[in-house]
Amino acid sequence: SQQGEEDPQALSIQEGENATMNCSYKTSINNLQWYRQNSGRGLVHLILIRSNEREKHSGRLRVTLDTSKKSSSLLITASRAADTASYFCATDGGGADGLTFGKGTHLIIQP
Amino acid sequence: DAGITQSPRHKVTETGTPVTLRCHQTENHRYMYWYRQDPGHGLRLIHYSYGVKDTDKGEVSDGYSVSRSKTEDFLLTLESATSSQTSVYFCAISESTEATDTQYFGPGTRLTVL
Repeated sequence: SQQGEEDPQALSIQEGENATMNCSYKTSINNLQWYRQNSGRGLVHLILIRSNEREKHSGRLRVTLDTSKKSSSLLITASRAADTASYFCATDGGGADGLTFGKGTHLIIQP
Repeated sequence: DAGITQSPRHKVTETGTPVTLRCHQTENHRYMYWYRQDPGHGLRLIHYSYGVKDTDKGEVSDGYSVSRSKTEDFLLTLESATSSQTSVYFCAISESTEATDTQYFGPGTRLTVL
């Protein structure tokens, strides 16, 4: 079963606007990661936030984590056409069995 | 793609035939993973390996087997392919399972079972 669930499933905004995607999960985690997938390509790691962190920044990306609500958000500021992709959250429960991924948010940036 | 290759990149096969997908890394990372990606399901873990000859099952392991005889290679085998195994398969690697670690993904193999 999926651990993370992204919301919305699809998002279309104008270039230059900010895009916000949310992720909810069910059990305790060690960290939460966000990945991007361009059409027909593999996933690329964007950012990792640990369970004891509340907010993290990387360039135009801002991630928040609320462990009490079991939720995270990814904000992309000043969006660009190249940001068009699917975005996945993934949780790490600490075992060797890898990450558990959500179903993704498909983001479309309109020029 | 972080020194990860997958072969073949595309394959069409018939129901009942055996299929082997290969993942090769040049990073000397300990952990390797096989996922499948399907519409409406996201990525699901099939099998993973935590060292040479050390493997374990993931969420959707039925119908799949794996082998890892060398650090750099992780093979996924479908003993008798079925149409439900039509999917895109991704290999991933990570250096460790520490809380700070990241997974790096290969480019994927698109498998169609007719």
